[in-house]
Amino acid sequence: GAGVSQSPSNKVTEKGKDVELRCDPISGHTALYWYRQSLGQGLEFLIYFQGNSAPDKSGLPSDRFSAERTGESVSTLTIQRTQQEDSAVYLCASSPLGQRSTDTQYFGPGTRLTVL
Amino acid sequence: QKEVEQNSGPLSVPEGAIASLNCTYSDRGSQSFFWYRQYSGKSPELIMFIYSNGDKEDGRFTAQLNKASQYVSLLIRDSQPSDSATYLCAVIAGGFKTIFGAGTRLFVKA
Repeated sequence: GAGVSQSPSNKVTEKGKDVELRCDPISGHTALYWYRQSLGQGLEFLIYFQGNSAPDKSGLPSDRFSAERTGESVSTLTIQRTQQEDSAVYLCASSPLGQRSTDTQYFGPGTRLTVL
Repeated sequence: QKEVEQNSGPLSVPEGAIASLNCTYSDRGSQSFFWYRQYSGKSPELIMFIYSNGDKEDGRFTAQLNKASQYVSLLIRDSQPSDSATYLCAVIAGGFKTIFGAGTRLFVKA
């Protein structure tokens, strides 16, 4: 079946604008994760969804970042009033069960965000 | 201290050699440990996971976990140029948060 998809693949925006990033998880996957990866860096955890609830939002860097998920389907990550330091690749991953001991995360191709 | 630490590399090994990648973590309550491979410009893909002390083998890959020392490693036997990538160690600690290390770049010379 189809893997995790993300859109847009690239987004260039001006400082101060809002952006919305979309993630379509693998069908039937309960858990969904958002990460960001700056150039040459590891993945920074942002938020985790179990179904449409978010038990762990601890990674969101500021109140400019928010995310929502519809059921066990699409998720959107919104960044308001973008800053240049928000420039990064935003990766989404989904996993079948969300059980931490056996969770295998499948990653999407990412959205490369550039804030000018 | 970072929660998950890896040597950034690059680690350079000749083709056919064993590549040894190391990772240490700070949270003693960590339960699950993962190794992901990430090719340049691509997304991470899972190689293997481990959650019991000892070794776990899958083909050319062996993961080793030592919870007492808070240490997890990945051995790649008979390294191939196609193994050249960044290897990310990931740890699930408290809650559902997955903490990734910054990754080790591996270069396998033909």
